[in-house]
This record gives sequence, C-alpha cells and structure tokens, in this order.
Amino acid sequence: QVQLQESGPGLVKPSQTLSLTCIVSGDSVSSGAYYWSWLRQHPGQGLEWIGYIYYSGNTYSNPSLKSRLTLSVDTSKNQFSLKLSSVTAADSAVYYCARISGFNYGDPYFDYWGQGTLVTVSS
Amino acid sequence: SYVLTQPPSVSVAPGETATITCGGTNIGTKRVHWFQQKPGQAPVLVIYYNSDRPSGIPERFSGSNSGNTATLTISRVEAGDEADYFCQVRDSTSYNPFVFGPGTTVTVL
Repeated sequence: QVQLQESGPGLVKPSQTLSLTCIVSGDSVSSGAYYWSWLRQHPGQGLEWIGYIYYSGNTYSNPSLKSRLTLSVDTSKNQFSLKLSSVTAADSAVYYCARISGFNYGDPYFDYWGQGTLVTVSS
Repeated sequence: SYVLTQPPSVSVAPGETATITCGGTNIGTKRVHWFQQKPGQAPVLVIYYNSDRPSGIPERFSGSNSGNTATLTISRVEAGDEADYFCQVRDSTSYNPFVFGPGTTVTVL
C-alpha cells in the first residue's frame, strides 16, 4: 500500500522559508514510473497545484510560485521536499504531497495523497 | 487558461442517485479525473480517465464525458458519500497543466 506523509513546521514567520518533506512508503520515488507532486488548499477553497519532481531531479512548477519555489528529491531516503521562500499570509494553507500517475499516457492524475499538513504564516 | 465549472452543491436522499457535473469548453476531448474529499481529509481519487475506477472504489461511482460536460454519478447514495467532489483535467495549452474544478458539496438528506 502506497503511503505519503508530509512533515514540517506548522507555523512559519512572514518573509521566511516554508520547508516541507514528503516521506514515501510502499513505493520508490526512483522507480521512474511516477512523478511526485505538491499541492495546497486554502481554507474553504479548491486545490492548487504547486509543482512536481521526477526522480532524476527534473522539476516543473506553477508559474505563479516558480520564482519562490525549490523542489528536491532524495532517493536514498525515499522522500521529496518543497521549499517556498518569502512567504506571506497568502501562503497559509493545507499542503499535500501526492503521486502522479499516467504521465506517459497524457492526462496525468493524482492517485495517492498524503494526509496534508496545515501551514500558517504568522508572526 | 482552461476553466472548469461545477455546481456549488447537490442534495440527494439516501438510496437515490447523485449527479455532479463538470463543465468546460470541449471537455469531451479531454480525460477527466474526479476526487472525493471529506472534511479534514485528503482528496481520494474516485474516477480517472473519465470512467475508470481505482481499486477499492465502489461500483456505485461512475463517470462519463461528452461535449462540454463531464459527469460523476453516484448510485444508491449512502450517508458516507457526503463530501466535496472535484474534477480535474490537464491543460496542455497552459504553463499550469493541472486544472481543478471549484468543487461540489454533496449533501445526503
């Protein structure tokens, strides 16, 4: 059974960097069959895709966040990470990591999700 | 960028059928995915590629897609189906490839 688990601080001060890690079990991030992604959801709102990373380190990010976003993968620890710099209150949200399937066939979808972690940006 | 529309809410009695729509220009040319999200929980994939069900998803959940509307149908609705439902497609014309609908809250009366 594939499981993803986000970890990181729940409170970040404005202008600082938000750092989250997603630990994967039941699958290998280096299998090459999937991409690994981050999404977020502001309270009471819909889902926003943040970016994804492949085991090789190739990344692709939401243009609205790209200038502040760093994605990385650690195949030895079977995990991937997100760093979002210069955060503001607008970055307060529940952050999810997820596995992406179907990339090679077009129309990819998120088939496994972490439970989500609430990050609040406040001084 | 591509925009998806969904009705804010759908109410249905237990045992009846819930129909949730996802509108988009020529969405029938895309493959639509559907997620269920219960309060305080992560989204769960319930339909992918318009009508395929992941393992563990009841047959009561089905999907279709044609023209400008994709549809998620929940037959014989149960109290446990009460949740928000989101549709999602890939937008190959945008730098943001993953587009989500705003979500529909299904209330079981």
